Amino acid sequence: IAGITQAPTSQILAAGRRMTLRCTQDMRHNAMYWYRQDLGLGLRLIHYSNTAGTTGKGEVPDGYSVSRANTDDFPLTLASAVPSQTSVYFCASRDNLNTEAFFGQGTRLTVV
Amino acid sequence: AQTVTQSQPEMSVQEAETVTLSCTYDTSENNYYLFWYKQPPSRQMILVIRQEAYKQQNATENRFSVNFQKAAKSFSLKISDSQLGDTAMYFCAFGEPGGTSYGKLTFGQGTILTVHP
Repeated sequence: IAGITQAPTSQILAAGRRMTLRCTQDMRHNAMYWYRQDLGLGLRLIHYSNTAGTTGKGEVPDGYSVSRANTDDFPLTLASAVPSQTSVYFCASRDNLNTEAFFGQGTRLTVV
Repeated sequence: AQTVTQSQPEMSVQEAETVTLSCTYDTSENNYYLFWYKQPPSRQMILVIRQEAYKQQNATENRFSVNFQKAAKSFSLKISDSQLGDTAMYFCAFGEPGGTSYGKLTFGQGTILTVHP
């Protein structure tokens, strides 16, 4: 059972470049989330999706976009990366019965 | 909007001793969930324990237990018989129950716990 898979695990990106972080889950969970983790700030919600075809903004959505074409995939796109987007990004999912959120292994992104 | 506060950026404890990590939260909701997640250096997010707000009994998982005070909006984690493998960042999280917010988790800032031999 793979759970949630994120790719890449780490990336160095030039400022101004476009980047898509991939997230795939095989648990058929309805809800999926993208968080960024920064020291001293914990994990902050970027975007979420309640079900395929719907998305919503979290606490820090600026500079990021998401799509949810199907249940399994929830990619996060940085249209034009800036150094302040240097962070560790986590994808997570949660179904409509279980209260626990399952996390991917994270993507460490450095924007230079 | 919910907020979660962990006021202890760092804690340390000797192996085999007991340590308590603090967490407070603010919400107007009555039904919700609370979680403690552990993040070791591997970066993996591991669920330690969870508590449903409607349950008065404090949750326990082996060496981990919580002190849930709903009126005070406090949710502390007690680790008994600390082990070197408990060294990690610990996050307290508030879980919305559903509806339009559909179960989003709000996290605290994290507490780095170091267990010394």
